[in-house]
Amino acid sequence: SQQGEEDPQALSIQEGENATMNCSYKTSINNLQWYRQNSGRGLVHLILIRSNEREKHSGRLRVTLDTSKKSSSLLITASRAADTASYFCATDLSNFGNEKLTFGTGTRLTIIP
Amino acid sequence: EAQVTQNPRYLITVTGKKLTVTCSQNMNHEYMSWYRQDPGLGLRQIYYSMNVEVTDKGDVPEGYKVSRKEKRNFPLILESPSPNQTSLYFCASRRNGGEQYFGPGTRLTVT
Repeated sequence: SQQGEEDPQALSIQEGENATMNCSYKTSINNLQWYRQNSGRGLVHLILIRSNEREKHSGRLRVTLDTSKKSSSLLITASRAADTASYFCATDLSNFGNEKLTFGTGTRLTIIP
Repeated sequence: EAQVTQNPRYLITVTGKKLTVTCSQNMNHEYMSWYRQDPGLGLRQIYYSMNVEVTDKGDVPEGYKVSRKEKRNFPLILESPSPNQTSLYFCASRRNGGEQYFGPGTRLTVT
């Protein structure tokens, strides 16, 4: 199974509401990253949180990391129609000798105008 | 502009006809990777490279080859494509521990 698993698989909310997505993983990580993908396009990096950090903000995005529970959450506040996309978490397991950034299967977010 | 480019963007081919998808980055990144994306399976890493002449298998390497002769280029080669390789392919690059920069994707159909 995937190292990172997003939950829920799909989420529909009204414009203006907050959206929360969760990511769980299995092994110790160097950092955890969140990405966004508009349909059929390349992924775009949103935010990176290191294993020694607990919370990070970027504009309307807030990411938390709980290494004891091996979980992270992405909160998008005051959602907009343009936030409609798929969101992926990626766990960075890279260490000396390999390049391992493993992606989950994603959360499909739909913002209803 | 910092970017990862890949070509072609769309490709329809027949079983067994060798093809190459090119990938280039202009950010002097050490790490480069190829992923495939399939519905319900997310992104899966095919191959990666940590520097020139250093490549290694990812999670789904069967049926693919790569090379890294120059730091900026990382082509993906399908020697004998099969229909199960029909997918959306992404090239990506990054520095060690950094964020991943993705190319625009190549949609491959093998008939």
